[in-house]
Amino acid sequence: KQEVTQIPAALSVPEGENLVLNCSFTDSAIYNLQWFRQDPGKGLTSLLLIQSSQREQTSGRLNASLDKSSGRSTLYIAASQPGDSATYLCAVKGDRGSTLGRLYFGRGTQLTVWP
Amino acid sequence: KAGVTQTPRYLIKTRGQQVTLSCSPISGHRSVSWYQQTPGQGLQFLFEYFSETQRNKGNFPGRFSGRQFSNSRSEMNVSTLELGDSALYLCASSVTGGEHTEAFFGQGTRLTVV
Repeated sequence: KQEVTQIPAALSVPEGENLVLNCSFTDSAIYNLQWFRQDPGKGLTSLLLIQSSQREQTSGRLNASLDKSSGRSTLYIAASQPGDSATYLCAVKGDRGSTLGRLYFGRGTQLTVWP
Repeated sequence: KAGVTQTPRYLIKTRGQQVTLSCSPISGHRSVSWYQQTPGQGLQFLFEYFSETQRNKGNFPGRFSGRQFSNSRSEMNVSTLELGDSALYLCASSVTGGEHTEAFFGQGTRLTVV
């Protein structure tokens, strides 16, 4: 069964720092990996999608990498801002059998960026 | 382009009642998935529909059911509500739900069972 783990569970940093959030998964049979952001009481906002054949994706100050064979992904946030404060979730999409098409989520990293 | 719309945003129900939640996907998207989010269990997959057919189902009791209409809109129903069903229910839409498609989520429906 696919299990997704995110480390750290919480992170509190001053504004301007560069951050790395980690995500690991147990089954490499995935279509893709997606990073989301969730603000309190709200839905999920998609940040980056990395296909299983890709190694990296970038969007603005965000950069995500994927090492499918070792079951790891990292989300790098450059020059953090207070507006980045949220919970960051990673999810992998299964590619076969009962996992097909479904997203498996980690528990998230709760990020606080203070001024 | 309108995003994924979920209605209602908030619901309060009594134990034993039933509830129906609605999700309108992004125009052109044919895959709709439902997830339950609780503090204890995190985000868990309920089911996925594509072209009015359920393609996959998570490990939830039969009290949880869903359907998809020809316009891709989807509903999920929970019968005989229990206190433990209190959660944020999230709907995601994607073009096909397959390999290259990105999932987009709605704002969710917050269900409270009292």
